[in-house]
Amino acid sequence: ELKVEQNPLFLSMQEGKNYTIYCNYSTTSDRLYWYRQDPGKSLESLFVLLSNGAVKQEGRLMASLDTKARLSTLHITAAVHDLSATYFCAVDSVKYIFGTGTRLKVLA
Amino acid sequence: NAGVTQTPKFQVLKTGQSMTLQCAQDMNHEYMSWYRQDPGMGLRLIHYSVGAGITDQGEVPNGYNVSRSTTEDFPLRLLSAAPSQTSVYFCASSAGDNSGNTIYFGEGSWLTVV
Repeated sequence: ELKVEQNPLFLSMQEGKNYTIYCNYSTTSDRLYWYRQDPGKSLESLFVLLSNGAVKQEGRLMASLDTKARLSTLHITAAVHDLSATYFCAVDSVKYIFGTGTRLKVLA
Repeated sequence: NAGVTQTPKFQVLKTGQSMTLQCAQDMNHEYMSWYRQDPGMGLRLIHYSVGAGITDQGEVPNGYNVSRSTTEDFPLRLLSAAPSQTSVYFCASSAGDNSGNTIYFGEGSWLTVV
């Protein structure tokens, strides 16, 4: 059974700092997705990673995929308050399975 | 651009009642799915479908039924609601052609079972 684990589950960081969220999964897949969810809202697509070594960047967020290690990372550079949200990774293996999410709070 | 449309947005049920959450998409997507989201539990897959007439169980299927008679619609049925089914439900769809397509989500349905 496919398992997707994220860590940390909660992250409180100061503005201007850097941090990385990790997503580990248990089965072979070369398709990995990152989503953002604001409180009370639906999920918004951030990145689609489709091959080993894929790297995507948008603003202060950068995602990468290592299919051999079954690991994806979401790196936050110089965090700002607007990045406060819950971030999910998801793995595509016929069906889409989501991680437990990382709740990020950026403190001014 | 409607995308993925879920109804109702809010619902209160009594234990033992039945109801159907509706989901429709207008993007001609083959893949559709239902998730539930509980606090601190992330999104858990209930049922999914890879095309009309084809459905399969996800991680937490018990207490829920689905059918997929058309490409556009994927309703989720609660046959006898229980308080443990209080949750936020999301319907999602994707082109599902194994080329790595974004999953599109509905706005969510907040269900309370009392």
